[in-house]
Amino acid sequence: SQKIEQNSEALNIQEGKTATLTCNYTNYSPAYLQWYRQDPGRGPVFLLLIRENEKEKRKERLKVTFDTTLKQSLFHITASQPADSATYLCALGASGGYNKLIFGAGTRLAVHP
Amino acid sequence: DAGVIQSPRHEVTEMGQEVTLRCKPISGHDYLFWYRQTMMRGLELLIYFNNNVPIDDSGMPEDRFSAKMPNASFSTLKIQPSEPRDSAVYFCASSSGTGNSQPQHFGDGTRLSIL
Repeated sequence: SQKIEQNSEALNIQEGKTATLTCNYTNYSPAYLQWYRQDPGRGPVFLLLIRENEKEKRKERLKVTFDTTLKQSLFHITASQPADSATYLCALGASGGYNKLIFGAGTRLAVHP
Repeated sequence: DAGVIQSPRHEVTEMGQEVTLRCKPISGHDYLFWYRQTMMRGLELLIYFNNNVPIDDSGMPEDRFSAKMPNASFSTLKIQPSEPRDSAVYFCASSSGTGNSQPQHFGDGTRLSIL
């Protein structure tokens, strides 16, 4: 069956460092992948999308890579700030004209001053 | 612009009662999704609509769950009868466009507790 794995343990880093979160998947060939941020008591908020034919995507301090051979996406936050502390979810999308997403369980990031 | 609006934000009720969750998507969005989030299972898609028509309800756990979208600006998710294992946060999301990669915009959810 399709499976998405994100680090279940929280990632603790120091302010100013680069945070790297991992999303691995099996038994699936997504046409694209999205990353979302979720704060406590709130719904997920879309951050970035990367398609299967793209290796890397950037937006301000965020960078996403997508390796369809390794079946893995990496999500980087450079110059991290305490305000970046949240849970980050990856979501895989199917091709074919509909917007169904399958979400990973998320990784909690804590950035310490 | 207003985002996705869900009501109520919190619901506490006793086992066996009917529960109705409500969602108003972003105006102009033609896709609407209902999700359930728990610590054990994460964020699970229950059902989604395109232009008010249910497309995929394979995630609906059982017949006690039903969803409707009578018009483009309103959807409901109903649980009848409710059970303690239905306790979770239920999210509604909407998206637009004919492409298959559009971002989804989530409401802030309904936290449901069944006693």
